[in-house]
Amino acid sequence: AQSVTQLGSHVSVSEGALVLLRCNYSSSVPPYLFWYVQYPNQGLQLLLKYTSAATLVKGINGFEAEFKKSETSFHLTKPSAHMSDAAEYFCAVSPPFQGAQKLVFGQGTRLTINP
Amino acid sequence: ETGVTQSPTHLIKTRGQQVTLRCSSQSGHNTVSWYQQALGQGPQFIFQYYREEENGRGNFPPRFSGLQFPNYSSELNVNALELDDSALYLCASSLRLVQGSTEAFFGQGTRLTVV
Repeated sequence: AQSVTQLGSHVSVSEGALVLLRCNYSSSVPPYLFWYVQYPNQGLQLLLKYTSAATLVKGINGFEAEFKKSETSFHLTKPSAHMSDAAEYFCAVSPPFQGAQKLVFGQGTRLTINP
Repeated sequence: ETGVTQSPTHLIKTRGQQVTLRCSSQSGHNTVSWYQQALGQGPQFIFQYYREEENGRGNFPPRFSGLQFPNYSSELNVNALELDDSALYLCASSLRLVQGSTEAFFGQGTRLTVV
């Protein structure tokens, strides 16, 4: 069975500071990994995905994530936070070649940006 | 191309009643997945439909059922509503190919409140 653990249910950073949201996964096979963002009263928007190609993945809005097999991690980073980044972020895993079907999500991390 | 649309956006039901939620897939997509997101939690996979048949189910009881229509739109039906069914219900569509699937695109969700 696959699972995802997001370390830290709440993260607060200052505007312009580095954003680091942590995600560790458990999977018996090399998985596909995703980061989604959810704004209040909205659905989920895909930020980026890892599908066994390059281990450093660049996404939208300046976010990127690095797949580290040895650490079973897929942490999300952004060099400089913007007020508009305040939202809930979800890491998700799926079996390979199933795209984003049957996703297993983490509990989410709420990101707050301080002016 | 049109995105994933869900209806209604909000509804309130009484315990024991039945509810039907609707989802229109993104143009060109042939697979629909449904997720339940309780307040403060990550989405939980309910089931998936491909070619009008259920293609995988999460840990949800049989009173959660669904349909997929020839135009790939979908319904989620919940019978005998319980208070714990109160949640945001998310629909996601994707394109399933022989070599795998594309990423999922999510709708805005339907907020169900059971009283």
